[in-house]
Amino acid sequence: SAVISQKPSRDICQRGTSLTIQCQVDSQVTMMFWYRQQPGQSLTLIATANQGSEATYESGFVIDKFPISRPNLTFSTLTVSNMSPEDSSIYLCSGTQGGPSYNEQFFGPGTRLTVL
Amino acid sequence: QQPVQSPQAVILREGEDAVINCSSSKALYSVHWYRQKHGEAPVFLMILLKGGEQKGHDKISASFNEKKQQSSLYLTASQLSYSGTYFCGTSNRDDKIIFGKGTRLHILP
Repeated sequence: SAVISQKPSRDICQRGTSLTIQCQVDSQVTMMFWYRQQPGQSLTLIATANQGSEATYESGFVIDKFPISRPNLTFSTLTVSNMSPEDSSIYLCSGTQGGPSYNEQFFGPGTRLTVL
Repeated sequence: QQPVQSPQAVILREGEDAVINCSSSKALYSVHWYRQKHGEAPVFLMILLKGGEQKGHDKISASFNEKKQQSSLYLTASQLSYSGTYFCGTSNRDDKIIFGKGTRLHILP
């Protein structure tokens, strides 16, 4: 199993600024993912964070808006750039030890972002 | 393609049973079930792989019918701790999970 922590746990930001969210895993994971979740809504996959290479983004999400880094097997960051109120959401990272199709995903507690 | 969950919400009394369904329009390799309590991270329940298997632990079990591209989660003799939102996630072996919109389950004492 793996325990995932995220920083910050919540933040209130001004429109036009950027916020970087950190995701730390207590053991090595094969794959890491970033999700967005509006309160009471589903988990929407933003991107797969690939170690040592560019992240793989889902439709509707672009690197300029959500740059992602993954320098090693236990750490990743997601930056929300040039924020607008529509970016207000909960951002969660997750990881799997093995392929995600047949392995449990461990989720972090989330970062609650409010953009004014 | 996002899987479709039904019902959207369920209210039960403690001790009653519930079934949550998940269906997809695409061929599936695996189905994943998670439970999320308010303000907390989703917690893994089980994975069902292609092959039409069934799984269960305690009073929560699930089935996966790959021909129908459907899965069902069964909660037997529900407890107050079962309250939360249940998400099914599906994969066609492309290294990502797509989650449904969730089913909110509320257990009354």
